[in-house]
Amino acid sequence: GESVGLHLPTLSVQEGDNSIINCAYSNSASDYFIWYKQESGKGPQFIIDIRSNMDKRQGQRVTVLLNKTVKHLSLQIAATQPGDSAVYFCAETLTNDYKLSFGAGTTVTVRA
Amino acid sequence: SQTIHQWPATLVQPVGSPLSLECTVEGTSNPNLYWYRQAAGRGLQLLFYSVGIGQISSEVPQNLSASRPQDRQFILSSKKLLLSDSGFYLCAWRIGAPPYEQYFGPGTRLTVT
Repeated sequence: GESVGLHLPTLSVQEGDNSIINCAYSNSASDYFIWYKQESGKGPQFIIDIRSNMDKRQGQRVTVLLNKTVKHLSLQIAATQPGDSAVYFCAETLTNDYKLSFGAGTTVTVRA
Repeated sequence: SQTIHQWPATLVQPVGSPLSLECTVEGTSNPNLYWYRQAAGRGLQLLFYSVGIGQISSEVPQNLSASRPQDRQFILSSKKLLLSDSGFYLCAWRIGAPPYEQYFGPGTRLTVT
C-alpha cells in the first residue's frame, strides 16, 4: 500500500560508482512494477518497468531486478552521475487495476 | 506525443479560502486521470482518480473534491482550505490498456497560510 507517512530512506553514492536501490513490495499478486525518478520540485518521471514474468530488464544505465519469491524489486544505476541525484520510487499494480501502489521512496545523493 | 499541464505552478492561499487546481492532457483520448498529494519529504498519496468524464473515485475522505468536466481535463477543488492541505499536488494520466505506467505533470506547490 502507500507509504505516505514515512520519511524517505537515503543512499549516498560516490560519482562513478554503481547504485542499488531496493524496494519491498506488498502484494504477491502484483504483476507489473515501475520505477520512477523525482527530482526536486518536479513530478515523478518514468524510468523503467518490468512484468512479473521477467526477472531482469535493462535500460540505458539502469537495470531492474525482480525477485517474486521474497517480493523484492531493485534498481541498479551504473556509473552514477550527479544528475542521478533524486528520489526514486517503486510502484506496483495488478492488471486491470486502475491504481498504482507506491513505495516510500529512496533519496539518492551523488557525491562528487 | 502526449503532454500534461498543471496550473498554477505555485499558489499561496489563506486558510478558509477556496481552491481550484487544473490539469489538462494533450495528445491522447479517454485517459485515466489521477490527483496525488505529496507532503515535503514524503511519498505519494492518491486523492482521486477518474476513468471517464464525470466519473470520480475518492481515495481519501477530506475537504477536497475533484471533477472531470471534459475528457482531458481534471480539476481539484476545495471550498475552504485547511493548513493541512499544504503540499505538492500532482496530476497524472495513463491509457486504459496495458502498459500501465502513469505519467505525471509538473505539479502545483500549494502553501496554506
